[in-house]
Amino acid sequence: EVQLVESGGGLVQPGGSLRLSCAASGFTFSSYEMNWVRQAPGKGLEWVSYISSSGSTIYYADSVKGRFTISRDNAKNSLYLQMNSLRAEDTAVYYCARAVRYYDSSGYYGRYFDYWGQGTLVTVSS
Amino acid sequence: AIRMTQSPSSFSASTGDRVTITCRASQGISSYLAWYQQKPGKAPKLLIYAASTLQSGVPSRFSGSGSGTDFTLTISCLQSEDFATYYCQQYYSYPITFGQGTRLEIK
Repeated sequence: EVQLVESGGGLVQPGGSLRLSCAASGFTFSSYEMNWVRQAPGKGLEWVSYISSSGSTIYYADSVKGRFTISRDNAKNSLYLQMNSLRAEDTAVYYCARAVRYYDSSGYYGRYFDYWGQGTLVTVSS
Repeated sequence: AIRMTQSPSSFSASTGDRVTITCRASQGISSYLAWYQQKPGKAPKLLIYAASTLQSGVPSRFSGSGSGTDFTLTISCLQSEDFATYYCQQYYSYPITFGQGTRLEIK
């Protein structure tokens, strides 16, 4: 059974740092691309960051670029999100999500999210 | 970034009803469209990918259609467990973007 379990959330002051972890099990973690998605209280879903299976390709949302760093340790089946210079607007539940490639007939592909963790709450407040 | 617009934002329906939610992309995304269901306090759950392909284990009363910029999610016969919030997502290009969500409530 595929499982993704986030941890590391909590209360942090503005300008502070936090490191989130996502422990994966039930599948070959090193073969899958991964993402972080967040959801502010009462709001919709916002994609945050992507990392390729090897870790060689990384993307960020403009809202977190330069402040957040995504990484992974395939030996430990774990995904991370280092969050620095946190702001009140970063307050959200953070989910890790496994990505699956979808190819069309031209060979172009995109990635949808087939499994999500239960989320970890990050609250940025003084 | 590609903007995704869902309609309606919320509505009420009764068990047994047929409901349709629409999602429009600000530019063409071919069939790179997924639908997710989210219940309060839970993670999103994948329902449909590639605009119309049902994820394994999802009941057949859910269906999706569309291509390009206009998409729909249809629930053919609402069950009590279907009352939730639904999101569309484009995965044609990064940044991946979601619709604002459609909250489906019991009438």
